[in-house]
This record gives sequence, C-alpha cells and structure tokens, in this order.
Amino acid sequence: EAQVTQNPRYLITVTGKKLTVTCSQNMNHEYMSWYRQDPGLGLRQIYYSMNVEVTDKGDVPEGYKVSRKEKRNFPLILESPSPNQTSLYFCASSLSWNQPQHFGDGTRLSIL
Amino acid sequence: DQQVKQNSPSLSVQEGRISILNCDYTNSMFDYFLWYKKYPAEGPTFLISISSIKDKNEDGRFTVFLNKSAKHLSLHIVPSQPGDSAVYFCAARWTGANSKLTFGKGITLSVRP
Repeated sequence: EAQVTQNPRYLITVTGKKLTVTCSQNMNHEYMSWYRQDPGLGLRQIYYSMNVEVTDKGDVPEGYKVSRKEKRNFPLILESPSPNQTSLYFCASSLSWNQPQHFGDGTRLSIL
Repeated sequence: DQQVKQNSPSLSVQEGRISILNCDYTNSMFDYFLWYKKYPAEGPTFLISISSIKDKNEDGRFTVFLNKSAKHLSLHIVPSQPGDSAVYFCAARWTGANSKLTFGKGITLSVRP
C-alpha cells in the first residue's frame, strides 16, 4: 500500500530535549516536505526536499532541521524543542514538486 | 500576510444539497490551485485541482471553479453526503521552479443527514 509513515504519532516531552520525528514513503517520490498545523493558521511549510541531499527552508524553518540522505526518508529534528513548537506535524511526499502531495497521518507534539 | 484566505471557518448543509466552499487569494502569481480534504486523526488527502488556464474542473460530485479576475475559487459538492464532513483546505502555488504550496486555514464542512 502506497503510504507516508510518520513516527511517533504522539509525543509529550520537555523543553530542550532533542527529538526526531521520522517520515518514510514507499512511493519512490522525489519531493518531500514537512508542515505544521496550528489553530487558525492552517498548514505552514517548515522544510522541503526536492531530492536526495537537496533541502531548503519553507515558511517557518526556525528551530528545525532536516536531512535527506535516502530518497524514502525525511526526518524532522528539533535540536532544542520549545513550547511554541507544540503543534500537529505532517510529512508529505510527491513524485515531483508540481504534483499533488500525499500526506502522512500526522504527529502531535506537546513540548512542556 | 495571508495569501490564501478561507474566510468562513465552517459550513453546515443538509444531505443531498449543494455545498459551496470558497477561497480567495491575493498573489496574482498563483496559477495552480488544489483542494485537500482532511478527516480527524488523518492527514490531508488530495481532492481536485485546477490550472489557471481553465475556469472549471469536474471530478464526479466535485467541481472547482476559478475566477481569475476576482482571485476567487470555489469547490462545489453535489450532492453532499455525510461522509463529506471534513476540513477542506484550499492551496495555491505558481509554476516557478521549486514553488511551494500555500494553504488556507481550512473550512469545516458538516453534512447533516
């Protein structure tokens, strides 16, 4: 089954404790992206990757890092999480940048 | 500065009637528009799209209309079904290389049986 898989689905953690949210897709997609969804703000892009080893900032990259060492994986790293990063996060992928994206089911992060 | 606006946060319609979800944009560079549907505890799923060279695109019960002069698009669902109850996001981009999607805030549609 074609899918985008995010882990964990839920996480409660504390300020400053590094965490990684993994994202994996099995569709051989070149383009991958991370979004956060906040009440009243819709979906905002954090980082995106056009292909392996090619990443770039989206609209709200501060406090986040990403890597794209393999085509299927695109982890989101919070080196020193803060409460304002409490949000619902979605990973997405598509065949190329101009194709509709497939989304994972989301990761709800709570930073205390 | 919000470039894609979905000004109505919610809409409630009777089953079998038409649902009309509206979206406005401010960036005249946008030339490709998409609608995504999202159920609780799931990620958004792509529904339908339209290029700026068209003013209408239809897929089954779903039709998207684009009015470029008004910078307005709408999603029509006919007939509405209870399973259509979800959050609908409008998104837009332009055809420049690496152009990213800009999403609206979403509209919650409730279809009453």
